[in-house]
Amino acid sequence: QLQLQESGPGLVKPSETLSLTCTVSGGSISSGRYYWGWIRQPPGKGLEWIANIYYSGSTYYNPSLNSRLTMSVDTSKNQFSLKLSSVTAADTAVYYCARCGRMGTERYSDPWGQGTLVTVSS
Amino acid sequence: EIVLTQSPGTLSLSPGERATLSCRASQSVSSTYLAWYQQKPGQAPRLLIYGASTRATGIPDRFSGSGSGPDFTLTINRVDPEDFAVYHCQQYATSPYTFGQGTKLEIK
Repeated sequence: QLQLQESGPGLVKPSETLSLTCTVSGGSISSGRYYWGWIRQPPGKGLEWIANIYYSGSTYYNPSLNSRLTMSVDTSKNQFSLKLSSVTAADTAVYYCARCGRMGTERYSDPWGQGTLVTVSS
Repeated sequence: EIVLTQSPGTLSLSPGERATLSCRASQSVSSTYLAWYQQKPGQAPRLLIYGASTRATGIPDRFSGSGSGPDFTLTINRVDPEDFAVYHCQQYATSPYTFGQGTKLEIK
């Protein structure tokens, strides 16, 4: 059964860079059928899609975050990563990693990692 | 960006009743690209429905989805105590892939 697990600092200072990694187990990140992505949820609020990456390194970013985002993939470790620069309190959220289909009709997110809370505060 | 508006914000029902949750898109979305998720407190969302009406693996048949752009519906027949949660709709037709703000299904 495919599982995803987020890891990274739970506290980041304003103006610094948030860095998270998602480790995939029970399946290969190099499967050509899927994208691998990040979604976040500020406390008490709704979900926001952040970005997707393909195992080849092709990336697809939310335009609202594009200028601050960098995603990367490490197929040897079966991991993909997110960097969000110049963070503010508005970036405080639970960050989830998830798999989604490469085909447009399958681009829903399933499964999801358990999520990790990142707080931006000095 | 396609905005999804879910209604009601909160739905109060007793176990055994039928729940009807709505999701309206700001522009037409093909039913092929609409998903519903369930989220319980402290947990990640779980995929319930994709393609507007196809249940994900392991989802009970009391959950059903219907509709076509811009209006979609998630119906839960005979709500079970384990169904009280927040439900999110998502469109994945056009990037950025957006979610509704969620409907909370609570015990009356």
